Amino acid sequence: EADIYQTPRYLVIGTGKKITLECSQTMGHDKMYWYQQDPGMELHLIHYSYGVNSTEKGDLSSESTVSRIRTEHFPLTLESARPSHTSQYLCASSDTVDSGNTIYFGEGSWLTVV
Amino acid sequence: GENVEQHPSTLSVQEGDSAVIKCTYSDSASNYFPWYKQELGKGPQLIIDIRSNVGEKKDQRIAVTLNKTAKHFSLHITETQPEDSAVYFCAASINSGTYKYIFGTGTRLKVLA
Repeated sequence: EADIYQTPRYLVIGTGKKITLECSQTMGHDKMYWYQQDPGMELHLIHYSYGVNSTEKGDLSSESTVSRIRTEHFPLTLESARPSHTSQYLCASSDTVDSGNTIYFGEGSWLTVV
Repeated sequence: GENVEQHPSTLSVQEGDSAVIKCTYSDSASNYFPWYKQELGKGPQLIIDIRSNVGEKKDQRIAVTLNKTAKHFSLHITETQPEDSAVYFCAASINSGTYKYIFGTGTRLKVLA
């Protein structure tokens, strides 16, 4: 069972609002990821981090930003939300031991921008 | 760039029958292939994985096979049950020092009671 937590699980906000999606993991994993997914569709990597103070853009361009000040915490921020940002956002983490970097996902944050 | 193709996109089977989902990857350096099950409203959950030094792995009703030469890997679910209904994703590691994964496009499995 993976120990990775996302809050809020569901959020409905108005256009132009700033939001932060929180993600925390208690497994001590150094690598963390954010994926964007429309219901039942592909997972698109939007951000990843290899460790503290390391962040990279993913394969899908996103207007969101991330930070990694602590190993266990990887929040995602949208400065000005738009309806096009409506989606599910999945946080994930993995380690680098011989187990092969198994990636574990949180339960997701469903964002609706109205 | 690297990609993973997954087929079929939807699959309906009768309860008790077997289900097979196939994936093909392009990066010959990929060495780790996990499978995830995603139920409605939840995040993907790892159900089984296989590494490139193994050809087959089984865990109760679930098995995964890997053909490195053909760059194919498949998920096999036997004796399907209604609770197996979900979206299944395959993935392949990208061995370019980035510790990233390429995911397939998903298969929606429906097990009919």
